[in-house]
Amino acid sequence: QQPVQSPQAVILREGEDAVINCSSSKALYSVHWYRQKHGEAPVFLMILLKGGEQKGHEKISASFNEKKQQSSLYLTASQLSYSGTYFCGTDLGFAYSGAGSYQLTFGKGTKLSVIP
Amino acid sequence: DTGVSQDPRHKITKRGQNVTFRCDPISEHNRLYWYRQTLGQGPEFLTYFQNEAQLEKSRLLSDRFSAERPKGSFSTLEIQRTEQGDSAMYLCASSPGVEETQYFGPGTRLLVL
Repeated sequence: QQPVQSPQAVILREGEDAVINCSSSKALYSVHWYRQKHGEAPVFLMILLKGGEQKGHEKISASFNEKKQQSSLYLTASQLSYSGTYFCGTDLGFAYSGAGSYQLTFGKGTKLSVIP
Repeated sequence: DTGVSQDPRHKITKRGQNVTFRCDPISEHNRLYWYRQTLGQGPEFLTYFQNEAQLEKSRLLSDRFSAERPKGSFSTLEIQRTEQGDSAMYLCASSPGVEETQYFGPGTRLLVL
């Protein structure tokens, strides 16, 4: 089941903040966030495991609401280098063991453009 | 460079031909994944290896697609009798056994004419 990302696209001026959401219709074991620039491979940003923890990476952080089956990626004080398409990948995990399945299903992405 | 590498980076072929792609994962990563990505979409899972064993394969994957990882190191993805719909970026990723993070290679862009 493909996760749903919102918004589909967003344009920011340097220094502005943005939130990208990722929602699943099924219970999740983990959520992975990647950024992909045009013509390049996806680059790992962070992973959130079930337990509702929030993680930070410089000015990029994320949260995972296990009950709502949602994750949000927060970009603060955006820089030009933040431009790209952000994907969330979800792992439903194995129902019988509760462990990760290592099989990710990615959303369609959110295109972020940061302008001067 | 100690990242995931893929070869070739670009491939143009005629419909009906067979193509083979290679992926070299990060050293000592025992998990290897193949994905397909088309324009405007996220990566779509194709198959996954743990060492040399192919553990998962997408139910949507045609029988024309086959993947191997004979010695648990590099992997090959072969597409037989290519179709225009196979045109896409084929991404390989690897991860170590103790964490879930997947590290992607630069991809092989396939164009089927």
